[in-house]
Amino acid sequence: SQQGEEDPQALSIQEGENATMNCSYKTSINNLQWYRQNSGRGLVHLILIRSNEREKHSGRLRVTLDTSKKSSSLLITASRAADTASYFCATDNNNDMRFGAGTRLTVKP
Amino acid sequence: ETGVTQTPRHLVMGMTNKKSLKCEQHLGHNAMYWYKQSAKKPLELMFVYNFKEQTENNSVPSRFSPECPNSSHLFLHLHTLQPEDSALYLCASSQALAGNEQFFGPGTRLTVL
Repeated sequence: SQQGEEDPQALSIQEGENATMNCSYKTSINNLQWYRQNSGRGLVHLILIRSNEREKHSGRLRVTLDTSKKSSSLLITASRAADTASYFCATDNNNDMRFGAGTRLTVKP
Repeated sequence: ETGVTQTPRHLVMGMTNKKSLKCEQHLGHNAMYWYKQSAKKPLELMFVYNFKEQTENNSVPSRFSPECPNSSHLFLHLHTLQPEDSALYLCASSQALAGNEQFFGPGTRLTVL
């Protein structure tokens, strides 16, 4: 069954703008991961944040985790047209990893 | 390339056919997964194997039959499928089950006529 739920379902921005995607979940987790998927392809891992961490950075990506609110956010700064893809959060709870339905991000050149 | 390959990339089959999907990982991982991705639905975990042993069968119909002969190879045998089984089938692997990123293959786009 689905665990994480991304918000919004779709997001359209101009190149250079920042994109923020949110993920909410319902049960306790060991870690939360964000993945990216280009149309019709496999998922690519972006970043993993553990339940005892609050923020992680990787290049233009910034992920936050608030376990009290059971939510996470993914920020992509200075977006590029190549960032156009679907982004998924996945919650990991005792070897049980569940994906959300994803946010479809479109970055217009 | 993620180190996980899947064949075939596209498959069209009739409801009475028997076919198999193949996944191979070149990463030395111990865990492998099958997922189903349908349009506008969350990724659905189907099967999990850890050290060749099946650890999860997520209420998948018996017309889907997995096989894991070794830690590097994973198959999904298909028979008497239904049109609603048409989807992108993704294979993934990870070093271990807990707390690890998963590496995904490119998927097999399956169409059941």
